[in-house]
Amino acid sequence: EAQVTQNPRYLITVTGKKLTVTCSQNMNHEYMSWYRQDPGLGLRQIYYSMNVEVTDKGDVPEGYKVSRKEKRNFPLILESPSPNQTSLYFCASSSRTSRFFGPGTRLTVL
Amino acid sequence: AQKVTQAQTEISVVEKEDVTLDCVYETRDTTYYLFWYKQPPSGELVFLIRRNSFDEQNEISGRYSWNFQKSTSSFNFTITASQVVDSAVYFCALSETSGTYKYIFGTGTRLKVLA
Repeated sequence: EAQVTQNPRYLITVTGKKLTVTCSQNMNHEYMSWYRQDPGLGLRQIYYSMNVEVTDKGDVPEGYKVSRKEKRNFPLILESPSPNQTSLYFCASSSRTSRFFGPGTRLTVL
Repeated sequence: AQKVTQAQTEISVVEKEDVTLDCVYETRDTTYYLFWYKQPPSGELVFLIRRNSFDEQNEISGRYSWNFQKSTSSFNFTITASQVVDSAVYFCALSETSGTYKYIFGTGTRLKVLA
């Protein structure tokens, strides 16, 4: 079954404590991306990756890092989380015509 | 600039009413894709439809229908005989095929269907 998985699904953390949200896809897609969803703002792209070792900033990259060492994985790293990064995060994996979203990670930074 | 506008922030209807969700987009690309996603209260994003820019035929799938009009840059979504289970946030999105695979989402329309 075509799938995008994210972990954890829920996370409450404190300001400054580094965290990683993992994302994995089983569709052999080259393109993967991360979004955050905030009320009234829709989904905004944080980072995307066109292939292994190829990443680029989206619309709201500040405070985030990503890596793409393998095709299937695209982790999102918050080196020093802040309360304004409290949000719902989605990972996505894409072919040219369709985008598959993970189930979402709800992050709260206190 | 590329942009997707969903001017309706929230719509409330009574069950069995028809409801149309509006989506207006801007793009310089001649080839692009338009999408609708549903986000129920559980939070996941559920894919509903994809339409490419060369296909202006309307589409119907059960109680759902989509009206794509390039002349007005609109891709509206109608739910016929709405049901409580249709209550969700609906997002329209635009994907350009210029090589970056960039998706631009609208801000979403929250639909409340009242019993």
